[in-house]
Amino acid sequence: DQQVKQNSPSLSVQEGRISILNCDYTNSMFDYFLWYKKYPAEGPTFLISISSIKDKNEDGRFTVFLNKSAKHLSLHIVPSQPGDSAVYFCAASVDRGSRLTFGEGTQLTVNP
Amino acid sequence: EAGVAQSPRYKIIEKRQSVAFWCNPISGHATLYWYQQILGQGPKLLIQFQNNGVVDDSQLPKDRFSAERLKGVDSTLKIQPAKLEDSAVYLCASSENTQYFGPGTRLTVL
Repeated sequence: DQQVKQNSPSLSVQEGRISILNCDYTNSMFDYFLWYKKYPAEGPTFLISISSIKDKNEDGRFTVFLNKSAKHLSLHIVPSQPGDSAVYFCAASVDRGSRLTFGEGTQLTVNP
Repeated sequence: EAGVAQSPRYKIIEKRQSVAFWCNPISGHATLYWYQQILGQGPKLLIQFQNNGVVDDSQLPKDRFSAERLKGVDSTLKIQPAKLEDSAVYLCASSENTQYFGPGTRLTVL
């Protein structure tokens, strides 16, 4: 039962343009959502999070949007840079201290 | 501030052998997690500790996997005996609020 799904295995964008990564979930108990970035041979690095009481959270070039009624979240990266090329995982939990349920990941490639 | 430390970084063993992984969390983090990440998938929780007590081990294959966190700081994860399907990256994370991950141990079972 895949409770968190990232339907796009890969995404390629030009440097300077917007990258939009999408994530859908099925468990209505999820209350806290996060995005992690992963480079090869490294562990996931925390990027940005959002709780269900908000619909948007910004941190520099990164913005996460949450649509609870659609059970959908997205990560926007503007402007995209070649160093952003990595695998991006969305994750969800029922509260901040609980286990994270991860999607399968999306490989983002930003071309110079 | 030092991050989550894990060792070894890589391990290759034969099936039916045993293996152990070590994790040192971020100083002061009471909660520690072990995740298994199979190639092409997202990480999946194996076990969660709060200090030295187990909070969630519902997805730990207890017939072959064990974990301990005796003094509420470092933790070890053991597989005995290993199977081919245990080939994966084993990630340790710690948190006060947000989970921060170590670099992982890549296990190959031949």
